[in-house]
Amino acid sequence: QQPVQSPQAVILREGEDAVINCSSSKALYSVHWYRQKHGEAPVFLMILLKGGEQKGHDKISASFNEKKQQSSLYLTASQLSYSGTYFCGTGGGQTGANNLFFGTGTRLTVIP
Amino acid sequence: DTAVSQTPKYLVTQMGNDKSIKCEQNLGHDTMYWYKQDSKKFLKIMFSYNNKELIINETVPNRFSPKSPDKAHLNLHINSLELGDSAVYFCASSDYSGGYTDTQYFGPGTRLTVL
Repeated sequence: QQPVQSPQAVILREGEDAVINCSSSKALYSVHWYRQKHGEAPVFLMILLKGGEQKGHDKISASFNEKKQQSSLYLTASQLSYSGTYFCGTGGGQTGANNLFFGTGTRLTVIP
Repeated sequence: DTAVSQTPKYLVTQMGNDKSIKCEQNLGHDTMYWYKQDSKKFLKIMFSYNNKELIINETVPNRFSPKSPDKAHLNLHINSLELGDSAVYFCASSDYSGGYTDTQYFGPGTRLTVL
């Protein structure tokens, strides 16, 4: 059930753009994006619920293609603070809880 | 104020011991979770609880037993610790809304090392 993310790792210079992809073999009802800095807890970035939905958060945005069972996270004009590991999470949809099945993670490093 | 807190932050113990990790949230959420993050950074759901009741146990060995005395607390007790249990354990909470929309807030994590 674990989604697959690509690339596994990426190094950017400040100001460059990046795309992180998340693919699932199962139907997606929602996609959650989190960022985890080294030694810290994952922090929520955004959630996408409908097919084709796009959301933005500062210079970080995401899209959700329900048919292709994919989501992509777009980071534009990257800043040093964007460094960290990005996880997509797909909701399990249990009654009473929303267990997230996280992807394999993408390690993003932004250098000056 | 810390929203989701865990204690201890670090736990080093010998194989075969029993240990507990505590989690508390002051967000008023009704659902809490335990996740395990291994050395390769894979983050995997273990348990979820809604209003003190177990919702799902994602194929976790029964050496792991969650206990929820009230909806603000979800503790994790581990019996007969094994080397493979070494990982970072994260507690999380959310305000379950009946769909897929709830945002989960994670605690700072507990790094467990089994020697």
